[in-house]
Amino acid sequence: ELKVEQNPLFLSMQEGKNYTIYCNYSTTSDRLYWYRQDPGKSLESLFVLLSNGAVKQEGRLMASLDTKARLSTLHITAAVHDLSATYFCAVGTGANSKLTFGKGITLSVRP
Amino acid sequence: EAQVTQNPRYLITVTGKKLTVTCSQNMNHEYMSWYRQDPGLGLRQIYYSMNVEVTDKGDVPEGYKVSRKEKRNFPLILESPSPNQTSLYFCASSSLSGRGFYEQYFGPGTRLTVT
Repeated sequence: ELKVEQNPLFLSMQEGKNYTIYCNYSTTSDRLYWYRQDPGKSLESLFVLLSNGAVKQEGRLMASLDTKARLSTLHITAAVHDLSATYFCAVGTGANSKLTFGKGITLSVRP
Repeated sequence: EAQVTQNPRYLITVTGKKLTVTCSQNMNHEYMSWYRQDPGLGLRQIYYSMNVEVTDKGDVPEGYKVSRKEKRNFPLILESPSPNQTSLYFCASSSLSGRGFYEQYFGPGTRLTVT
């Protein structure tokens, strides 16, 4: 059974500082997704990582994938309040588009 | 505009009263699925459908039914809702993108409370 673990589950960040959050998964996968969710809202797609060593960047967020370690990281550069949200990683497996989600990491940026 | 719609967005009901949450997509996607989101548990797949008349159980299918009679619609049916089905429900649709992966589109969510 595929397990996807995210840690920490909650992170209080100081504005302007850098942080990294992690996503581990237990079986081989060829696609990893990062989503953002604001309170009461739906999921917003951030990144799709498809191969070992893949790196994607958008603004202050940079995601990378190490398929050998079964690990994805989401690096936050110079945190700002607008980044406060819950971030989910999800792993795709098989020939269909099923996603197995982690429990999510809630980020809160304080001044 | 490409979108997944769900109705209703909010629903409060009582135990045992059958209900249906509708989901519709306008992107001609083959693949549709339902997830539930509970605090501290992330999203868990309830049912999915690979195409019309093809459905299968996800990770937490107990207490739910689905049907896929048309490609665009994938309703979620709770025949006899119970309080443990109080949750936030998301419908999603996807298709294989030109870049070789499934691009998922999520609906706005339906918050269901069963008393």
